[in-house]
Amino acid sequence: AQTVTQSQPEMSVQEAETVTLSCTYDTSENNYYLFWYKQPPSRQMILVIRQEAYKQQNATENRFSVNFQKAAKSFSLKISDSQLGDTAMYFCLYNTNAGKSTFGDGTTLTVKP
Amino acid sequence: GAGVSQTPSNKVTEKGKYVELRCDPISGHTALYWYRQSLGQGPEFLIYFQGTGAADDSGLPNDRFFAVRPEGSVSTLKIQRTERGDSAVYLCASSLGPRQGGIDTQYFGPGTRLTVL
Repeated sequence: AQTVTQSQPEMSVQEAETVTLSCTYDTSENNYYLFWYKQPPSRQMILVIRQEAYKQQNATENRFSVNFQKAAKSFSLKISDSQLGDTAMYFCLYNTNAGKSTFGDGTTLTVKP
Repeated sequence: GAGVSQTPSNKVTEKGKYVELRCDPISGHTALYWYRQSLGQGPEFLIYFQGTGAADDSGLPNDRFFAVRPEGSVSTLKIQRTERGDSAVYLCASSLGPRQGGIDTQYFGPGTRLTVL
């Protein structure tokens, strides 16, 4: 079975600074996808960034980027120029085309003014 | 366009009662997922539909839980003889479905908060 581990239950960062959230996973599959989702207190799950496992190039979306290390099964999220609106819970999701879908337990990120 | 919608947004019921939770996916999305999220935890996978069929129901905790998607669009999660431990937020997500060379992104509804008294 796939497992996804987010080892940092809580993180905080000063506004405009950079923070990195970690995610590791365990799988025997070769083809899969990885995602980071943001969940503010409103509980609406919002896509932040996504990565195909067969692509070596790390995905970037504006202030958000990932460091994908396939051999190490690591998928960290870097948030640059942190903003107050980035305060939320962040979840790492592992998924395959067969519908195998596993979330980590999340990291609560607080951006301080 | 419209996103994933879930009804009701909140449901309070008594122990032992039957409940139905509804999910309306994005139009054209063939894949649909149900998750259960307890406070402070990540969503826990329950069931995955591809079209009308349940392709993976390995996450359903026991036979009190059942889900259907009869026409490949709207899905209903049904819980019989509810227990206090069933209290959680139930999330639904839909996606285009697996296809060659494409990343299948899940889009989530706002969830239904179920409280069993």
